[in-house]
Amino acid sequence: SAVISQKPSRDICQRGTSLTIQCQVDSQVTMMFWYRQQPGQSLTLIATANQGSEATYESGFVIDKFPISRPNLTFSTLTVSNMSPEDSSIYLCSVPNPFSGANVLTFGAGSRLTVL
Amino acid sequence: QKEVEQNSGPLSVPEGAIASLNCTYSDRGSQSFFWYRQYSGKSPELIMSIYSNGDKEDGRFTAQLNKASQYVSLLIRDSQPSDSATYLCAVNTPTGGFKTIFGAGTRLFVKA
Repeated sequence: SAVISQKPSRDICQRGTSLTIQCQVDSQVTMMFWYRQQPGQSLTLIATANQGSEATYESGFVIDKFPISRPNLTFSTLTVSNMSPEDSSIYLCSVPNPFSGANVLTFGAGSRLTVL
Repeated sequence: QKEVEQNSGPLSVPEGAIASLNCTYSDRGSQSFFWYRQYSGKSPELIMSIYSNGDKEDGRFTAQLNKASQYVSLLIRDSQPSDSATYLCAVNTPTGGFKTIFGAGTRLFVKA
């Protein structure tokens, strides 16, 4: 299965600042998914990042707050803009893992953000 | 209505017992169903996938799917303390372009 490198692994940020999370995959993938996991909660899909086109955002998430780049088939970034304490979460990058079955996902280690 | 519903638990079972985890989903068009395990501070990892009605067994784990009832379950036989984790039910739904939706997760504690 694909190996995903995500960074930063954790960061402490000040209110009002922005932070960009990077996701690098060791193989080419068509789709990459960004999830958020708030403390004690399950995973919520933020957006699907497709190479060569605009990301598709889920209800409740907008491009101005969570801009995504997908410059090639192995890399994507998610920016959390103008952060507030409510953005304190783990952000996870994931990609399909066809070797394990249809629509199976492999996850990166996650980026734990704390906003003060 | 939540798209994927699970009992959040915690579910506590003694070592060696069977743990039973349940999940319901709302989108009848869903085709793929998964159980992921998430240890504290770690990312989710796939335990089982199931795509057709019936049972699927893999070692101590059995997934059950009933599409008519929109119900998925996971049985863990001979539960071990190392099975203590949060189990996430996930459903891949065609609505909005085949995305995977996760339930809230069930915390399982296996007591030695």
